[in-house]
Amino acid sequence: GNSVTQMEGPVTLSEEAFLTINCTYTATGYPSLFWYVQYPGEGLQLLLKATKADDKGSNKGFEATYRKETTSFHLEKGSVQVSDSAVYFCALRGDSNYQLIWGAGTKLIIKP
Amino acid sequence: DGGITQSPKYLFRKEGQNVTLSCEQNLNHDAMYWYRQDPGQGLRLIYYSQIVNDFQKGDIAEGYSVSREKKESFPLTVTSAQKNPTAFYLCASSISRTGNQPQHFGDGTRLSIL
Repeated sequence: GNSVTQMEGPVTLSEEAFLTINCTYTATGYPSLFWYVQYPGEGLQLLLKATKADDKGSNKGFEATYRKETTSFHLEKGSVQVSDSAVYFCALRGDSNYQLIWGAGTKLIIKP
Repeated sequence: DGGITQSPKYLFRKEGQNVTLSCEQNLNHDAMYWYRQDPGQGLRLIYYSQIVNDFQKGDIAEGYSVSREKKESFPLTVTSAQKNPTAFYLCASSISRTGNQPQHFGDGTRLSIL
């Protein structure tokens, strides 16, 4: 079945550092891929998405490219801020199934 | 503003008690979902509904029940049969069940045992 694997956290960085959070997936067909962010005590917000191979999703300085050859959708940001501290979830929706498949989440801590 | 409203934000349950979590959306979305989130884990699907008066079990439906009598409302009841109910519960909605539309989330309800 479909699955999503994220790098374990927490990831701790200093402000202005470069961020990569790895996400790889297993799926048949052509899934859609998503990154969601959860700030403390809140629900999840869609950060970005990509619906086909080589698509790049971007929002608020974050980017992720849908790489079918490596089945990856890594999240990157060139210069992180303290306000980026949150839990980031990678998710997949198969092309024949309504259901979102979630990674375990990666907690990001940015120190000033 | 359109969105999803979950209430209450915090809820406490006594032994043997059923409790109901509210979820209301004004996005005119057809599909609604309930997830459970435990510390350090991803989201697990409890129930989902694609249309009014219809709903389906997710991966961990035991000990929970739902109803979908109105398009905008999808309440979740945590029954006494759910032996480990302490968790963060998230409600979500999407335009439809198919396609690549994202899910929109409420701010969650944190349920604890007294």
